Amino acid sequence: NAGVTQTPKFRVLKTGQSMTLLCAQDMNHEYMYWYRQDPGMGLRLIHYSVGEGTTAKGEVPDGYNVSRLKKQNFLLGLESAAPSQTSVYFCASSSGTFKETQYFGPGTRLLVL
Amino acid sequence: KQEVTQIPAALSVPEGENLVLNCSFTDSAIYNLQWFRQDPGKGLTSLLLIQSSQREQTSGRLNASLDKSSGRSTLYIAASQPGDSATYLCAVLLLKNGNKLVFGAGTILRVKS
Repeated sequence: NAGVTQTPKFRVLKTGQSMTLLCAQDMNHEYMYWYRQDPGMGLRLIHYSVGEGTTAKGEVPDGYNVSRLKKQNFLLGLESAAPSQTSVYFCASSSGTFKETQYFGPGTRLLVL
Repeated sequence: KQEVTQIPAALSVPEGENLVLNCSFTDSAIYNLQWFRQDPGKGLTSLLLIQSSQREQTSGRLNASLDKSSGRSTLYIAASQPGDSATYLCAVLLLKNGNKLVFGAGTILRVKS
């Protein structure tokens, strides 16, 4: 049972480049989330999805877009990367509502030069 | 705006000691509070989840308490072991503002053998 997986594990981008981070879960969870973690700031919610075909903004959505075309996948896109987006990105999923435990992926470390 | 603060930011103890990690939050309108463990370069693992109506939860050597009225939670680790070395994060689930998890910055724990 793989749980939540993230691709890639590490990426270096130049300012202005674009990329997509992929999150996949095999637990048939309805809810999925993207967070970023910066030193000394804890995790902050970027976007989330409450089901296939739905997305919603979190606390820090600017500069990111997301898509949930399939229930098991949640994509996070950066259209024009900026150094301020250097961070570790975590995907998570949960079975029903925010009331239940979220399961986290191993993270993607992104460096924007 | 809900703020979650964890004290201390870092803690180093000898093996075998009992220890307490602290978490405080500014808005008592929460649904639950969770404690997570994060190992270096890894994702988050949920340790304990306390519903707002509960006072404490226990799992093995871990005990978490919640005092919603004072905006405080503690994570008690008994008979600490080197394998307990990790970053411990607390997060509150809000009843409002989109029902999202708000994380503290974490406490880095090192247990010396």
